Parts: sequence; structure tokens; C-alpha cells
Amino acid sequence: SAVISQKPSRDICQRGTSLTIQCQVDSQVTMMFWYRQQPGQSLTLIATANQGSEATYESGFVIDKFPISRPNLTFSTLTVSNMSPEDSSIYLCSLHTNYGYTFGSGTRLTVV
Amino acid sequence: ELKVEQNPLFLSMQEGKNYTIYCNYSTTSDRLYWYRQDPGKSLESLFVLLSNGAVKQEGRLMASLDTKARLSTLHITAAVHDLSATYFCAVVKETSGSRLTFGEGTQLTVNP
Repeated sequence: SAVISQKPSRDICQRGTSLTIQCQVDSQVTMMFWYRQQPGQSLTLIATANQGSEATYESGFVIDKFPISRPNLTFSTLTVSNMSPEDSSIYLCSLHTNYGYTFGSGTRLTVV
Repeated sequence: ELKVEQNPLFLSMQEGKNYTIYCNYSTTSDRLYWYRQDPGKSLESLFVLLSNGAVKQEGRLMASLDTKARLSTLHITAAVHDLSATYFCAVVKETSGSRLTFGEGTQLTVNP
């Protein structure tokens, strides 16, 4: 199955700044997803990122706050913009293949 | 809208005991997954259940699916400390664009 490299693994950021999270996959995949996991909570889907089209955002998430890029079939980025302490969470990318779903190692973001 | 509910949310049990985690979902789905998450880690895939009556076992864990009742169970047999983790079920409906919907998670602690 595909392997995901997610960076950074963690970061501490000042409020009002932005952080871009990267996910690199070792094979070509069509469907990639970005999730947020708030402390002690389950995973909530932010958006679906398919190559060659605009990301599809879930209710409660907007492109201005979480812009996503998907320039090719092996790479995607999620930016958390104009951060506030409420954005402190773990962010995970995921991909869907015939073998099921694979998750990145996660980015633990703390906003101070 | 597809909703997934797990219970219990917290489970503390002694080594050697048996217990079951329940996962209910609100509408028909195509596949159900069970994942394990250790603190600070990403998700590890445990099982995928495809059809009514499906049963899968790995070590001390056994998962089953009843599509008519929209219920999956994760049974733990003779628990050991190493099973301490958070367990998530997740459901996908292909007509929803292969998006996974997660349950709230069950935080399992196995005490010596």
C-alpha cells in the first residue's frame, strides 16, 4: 500500500500567522483527504483534494481559512491561515486506494 | 447525513477480561473500518468489513458487522495492557465521494 510522508510533525506558531502542511505519497493516488483532530476528539473531514480540480470543503470549513493545493497525484498541501488558539489540533492527510485508507503521521499544531 | 456513534466512549478494564465496543451508524453504508490510535500517533488500520455477517479476527480483537441493524462490534478477548489505545470505527458510503465518517472513538485502558 501507499506510504505517506507528512511534514512537519509538529509546530508551535504565533496567532495570526499561517502554517503549510505537506503530504508526499510514494505512488500516484486520485483521492486525498485532509482531517482535523481536536484534542481528545475524533477526526473531522476538512476537505477532499483531487488533482486537477478545486478542493471540496465540508460544512464549517472554508477555502480562505484552509487553502489546499493538489498540483499532482503524489503531493498535496493544507495551509492553516490566520491562526488562532482554536486551531490547535492534529491535522492528518489521508488517501484512498483499492487497499483502503492510509493516514499520514499527523501534524500537531499548537497556536500561542 | 451519515452519523456514527460509538459506545462506550471510555472503557477501563482489567487484564484478562472480555469486553465489546459498539458502533452504530445511521444510514446504509458500503464499508466499515476499525482503526487504532495510540497517543500522539496516527491511525492504524485494524479491520475492514464489507458485507452483512462479516467477521474478522486478529489476535485478541474480533470485529463483526450486522448491516441490517447498522451495527458493528469490536470484541476484546482476554485484554492485555498493550491493547490500551483509542479505537475508532469509520463508515464510508461511496455515493458520498468515498469520504470516511468517524465515530467519536473509544478510549480503552487496560489495567494490570
